[in-house]
Amino acid sequence: SQQGEEDPQALSIQEGENATMNCSYKTSINNLQWYRQNSGRGLVHLILIRSNEREKHSGRLRVTLDTSKKSSSLLITASRAADTASYFCATPRQGGSEKLVFGKGTKLTVNP
Amino acid sequence: ETGVTQTPRHLVMGMTNKKSLKCEQHLGHNAMYWYKQSAKKPLELMFVYSLEERVENNSVPSRFSPECPNSSHLFLHLHTLQPEDSALYLCASSQDFGGRVYEQYFGPGTRLTVT
Repeated sequence: SQQGEEDPQALSIQEGENATMNCSYKTSINNLQWYRQNSGRGLVHLILIRSNEREKHSGRLRVTLDTSKKSSSLLITASRAADTASYFCATPRQGGSEKLVFGKGTKLTVNP
Repeated sequence: ETGVTQTPRHLVMGMTNKKSLKCEQHLGHNAMYWYKQSAKKPLELMFVYSLEERVENNSVPSRFSPECPNSSHLFLHLHTLQPEDSALYLCASSQDFGGRVYEQYFGPGTRLTVT
C-alpha cells in the first residue's frame, strides 16, 4: 500500500507557535500533496512537492520531502486559530496515477 | 470556494428511500471523483470518472450508483442504504492528462445520515 500515515494524530498548540506534522509512506512516489480540511467540510489543496524537490514554501507553509526516508513534513509557522483543521498527506497510487491515497490525518488545534 | 459545488449539504434518509447526490465543477476539469469519509477512517475513493467514462469502481456496493452525464456533473444515486453508509460524501475534480498527477479540488461534501 502507498498510503501515507500522518504523525501525530492530534496536535494542540498556542497561537504564534509553529506546528510540524509528518507523513510517512511505503513505496516510491513521484510527488506528494498536502491538504487541509476544516471540520465537516471538503479538503483544500495546500501544496504539491515533486520527488526531485527537497523543500517547498507557500506563505507560512513549508513542506519537505525526503525520498530516502520515504517521509515528508509540513511546517506551519506563526500559527493562528484559523489554522485549526485536519491536515492530510496524499500520495499517488502506483507511482504516478491520478488516483490519490490519503492518510488518516493530523488534527491540529491552535488555541488563541 | 473551490469551484466544486455539492447538493444537498445534509441528507437524512431511511433505509428504503432513494436519493441522489449532485456534484458540479466549474473548473474545466476532465476527471471527477466520489470519496467517502467516515469517522476515524482514511478517505476512501469510491469512483473515478475520466472524460465521462468510469475508470474505477473500488468494490463499492451496488446500492451506490454513479452517473456522469458530462464532464461538469457527477451524481451518486443511493438506494436501500444501511446505517453504516452514514458518512461525509465528498466530490472532487482534477485535470487528468494520461495519468499525470494534478491536485484535486473538493466540494464541501454531503453529510449523509441513514436512519
